[in-house]
Amino acid sequence: DAKTTQPPSMDCAEGRAANLPCNHSTISGNEYVYWYRQIHSQGPQYIIHGLKNNETNEMASLIITEDRKSSTLILPHATLRDTAVYYCIVRVWGANNLFFGTGTRLTVIP
Amino acid sequence: GAGVSQTPSNKVTEKGKYVELRCDPISGHTALYWYRQSLGQGPEFLIYFQGTGAADDSGLPNDRFFAVRPEGSVSTLKIQRTERGDSAVYLCASSLGTEGDTQYFGPGTRLTVL
Repeated sequence: DAKTTQPPSMDCAEGRAANLPCNHSTISGNEYVYWYRQIHSQGPQYIIHGLKNNETNEMASLIITEDRKSSTLILPHATLRDTAVYYCIVRVWGANNLFFGTGTRLTVIP
Repeated sequence: GAGVSQTPSNKVTEKGKYVELRCDPISGHTALYWYRQSLGQGPEFLIYFQGTGAADDSGLPNDRFFAVRPEGSVSTLKIQRTERGDSAVYLCASSLGTEGDTQYFGPGTRLTVL
């Protein structure tokens, strides 16, 4: 699976949008972009995934650049409960495992 | 519905001992995964089951680690002759088993080897 690069940490004010970037410049045509997050002392939680189109669900939006070499996860109105480590993962459709990397630690500030 | 559960939540053992960690997947999920997470790192894949068989055990670090899923539901991760370096959080996930499906994680078992 392609390697991803994320900033190690970010802060966001409560109620503002949190924009988490991810670089995946070596992504292949059959690899999807997945986002998971891990709140302290819990298991990872699936957020969203996409191939090339932008995606939105009840948790977040995923914006993928046209060349697919980078993406941004957007939490539209961050709350204190969104404080977590966010992992950007590229995964071949149907692959067994997820390669997590070290993620971005997002801290939402009151 | 009930999520993935793991027992025990914490396990402290001494170097050289044998441990078993249990995972109860979501009912109806045919795929089951084990991951290991060291402090400050993301989870690392260990093994994947489809039904009762280990379809991919490429992530197991050595032959002290073994996992079973005899009836295609509950899985047990077994570690023999534990070493201090085995200390980590062991995470289990399950999924429907269809291609590209979402993995749902349990809370993990924190293993400490003294």
